[in-house]
Amino acid sequence: AQSVSQHNHHVILSEAASLELGCNYSYGGTVNLFWYVQYPGQHLQLLLKYFSGDPLVKGIKGFEAEFIKSKFSFNLRKPSVQWSDTAEYFCAVNSKAAGNKLTFGGGTRVLVKP
Amino acid sequence: GAVVSQHPSRVICKSGTSVKIECRSLDFQATTMFWYRQFPKQSLMLMATSNEGSKATYEQGVEKDKFLINHASLTLSTLTVTSAHPEDSSFYICSARPSGGGDRTGELFFGEGSRLTVL
Repeated sequence: AQSVSQHNHHVILSEAASLELGCNYSYGGTVNLFWYVQYPGQHLQLLLKYFSGDPLVKGIKGFEAEFIKSKFSFNLRKPSVQWSDTAEYFCAVNSKAAGNKLTFGGGTRVLVKP
Repeated sequence: GAVVSQHPSRVICKSGTSVKIECRSLDFQATTMFWYRQFPKQSLMLMATSNEGSKATYEQGVEKDKFLINHASLTLSTLTVTSAHPEDSSFYICSARPSGGGDRTGELFFGEGSRLTVL
């Protein structure tokens, strides 16, 4: 069975600081990887996704994530955060073998102080 | 991007009544939709996979007679919480995967969620 682990439950940082959120998954087969963001009072939105190819994926709003197969990791990064990046971030994985069901990590709440 | 709409966004009901939540894909067809439940400060937990024209597939521990799912068309899935109790109070989120595949393969689009409060 596939599972996803996000290391940090809460992150607090100041504007212009760099952000890195950890994500590890357990499934050993071919996977698709996603980062979703949920801004306060809004629904989940896709930040970026990895299916194949270049392991460094660039998403919207200046976010990027790097797929490291040997470490089963897909960490999310942003060099300089803004107050508007305050949100909850979810890492997710799916695979054909698991019926393309999307499994989410526990989420990381990020608070950016102005 | 593709739009998924849920209705109602908020519902309050008395214990013992049934509540229906609709999930519609507005600008694409979705053979498969998923229903999630999100508890406060927790992640989304998959409840069931809704397949157009066939029975839903429920995750372990989810009562299929309690949470009735109907995927009547390629753009509509409904979740009915039957004989609701206070412990069913939660945030229910649906998502849909475009049937066309291609670049969208594996990507899901989420509804705004429906907050159910059972008194």
